[in-house]
Amino acid sequence: DTEVTQTPKHLVMGMTNKKSLKCEQHMGHRAMYWYKQKAKKPPELMFVYSYEKLSINESVPSRFSPECPNSSLLNLHLHALQPEDSALYLCASSQGPSGGATDTQYFGPGTRLTVL
Amino acid sequence: LAKTTQPISMDSYEGQEVNITCSHNNIATNDYITWYQQFPSQGPRFIIQGYKTKVTNEVASLFIPADRKSSTLSLPRVSLSDTAVYYCLVVLNQAGTALIFGKGTTLSVSS
Repeated sequence: DTEVTQTPKHLVMGMTNKKSLKCEQHMGHRAMYWYKQKAKKPPELMFVYSYEKLSINESVPSRFSPECPNSSLLNLHLHALQPEDSALYLCASSQGPSGGATDTQYFGPGTRLTVL
Repeated sequence: LAKTTQPISMDSYEGQEVNITCSHNNIATNDYITWYQQFPSQGPRFIIQGYKTKVTNEVASLFIPADRKSSTLSLPRVSLSDTAVYYCLVVLNQAGTALIFGKGTTLSVSS
């Protein structure tokens, strides 16, 4: 099973709402990632978790709060977002530190977020 | 990380071979060349990875010259379903490394 699942598929929220994006993998991967992708642009890295610990935060605003409750789950908590945060949010996982040179990342289908 | 440059777009017809070239002049000794494919509203999908010479799998071939300053992704006999964005990435030889995506090449295949 090489699947990364993300819920919800679509999310519409107001600027005062609090919502969460969820990502799950059951491949035994120890690294998990959040990327943000605006229309017709390449994905941009937001966060990297390695062994359930945050290892990279690409200067993401605090209105995005990641959480890795266990090795299979990755959440992205959203609060007080702006309309410009509307984008496709992609989760990915890889073997991580034990993966060696060819640590392929497997992406989920993404959550399409619209902030009104 | 080495910056990559690839054509913004390419057009092809079904059944043709498509070659997408990527330049990465500042590639380091510990870097691998990796290609991902992305369909609209889907996450990127790993296609192929190589360090030098030639790598082939069931989907594509990757040609890397000795100086490793460029690479070419070759898609044999493309079909309409190969219409997608193709990203060339230089990836550090270190597990758990984040991917830095360039602008990618939008390949359009027509019948």
